[in-house]
Amino acid sequence: AAGVIQSPRHLIKEKRETATLKCYPIPRHDTVYWYQQGPGQDPQFLISFYEKMQSDKGSIPDRFSAQQFSDYHSELNMSSLELGDSALYFCASSPGRVNTEAFFGQGTRLTVV
Amino acid sequence: AQKVTQAQTEISVVEKEDVTLDCVYETRDTTYYLFWYKQPPSGELVFLIRRNSFDEQNEISGRYSWNFQKSTSSFNFTITASQVVDSAVYFCALSAANRDDKIIFGKGTRLHILP
Repeated sequence: AAGVIQSPRHLIKEKRETATLKCYPIPRHDTVYWYQQGPGQDPQFLISFYEKMQSDKGSIPDRFSAQQFSDYHSELNMSSLELGDSALYFCASSPGRVNTEAFFGQGTRLTVV
Repeated sequence: AQKVTQAQTEISVVEKEDVTLDCVYETRDTTYYLFWYKQPPSGELVFLIRRNSFDEQNEISGRYSWNFQKSTSSFNFTITASQVVDSAVYFCALSAANRDDKIIFGKGTRLHILP
């Protein structure tokens, strides 16, 4: 069965650079969630989209932005990267607006040096 | 506010022993979902189970079983006859079921299965 696809799997950036993470949800899933997991931490909710509109926002820095496109894939754009942005970034998708079946992608490991 | 508490930060057991991971949650929602995820050293989040707040039946899947007790707001996870491959971080999580809500995770329990 198709799963949530994230790319790239690994990314190394320098401080102050920009990074773009991509998420391709499970087919027919119209809701996408982004989470950030720092080392030794639990995943923290960043932002979510339903039908291409932002539906909820968590502790996402102003330097980050995201959107969901017409094909339901989503991109997380991170600018002016800081060392503290080094983390695992997960995308999850679910069918419909209620988070009944949240399946996570394999994550993108971002390292800022 | 929603909150998930996993009091056990780290547990070590010898292979073939049974082990129970505790999870206590807080929510004001009357309808909600509870989840367990496994995160092996490779880093991915593996979905294990989702339980609707209306369904208090315990569930067994192979060596895994879950005990949902609404009266004590607990959703504990037991691994029977543990194996080294069960070594991972296990997250208990919660989300509201009647609106577009994110998943709130506990801090996780790191489980070491010793050979």
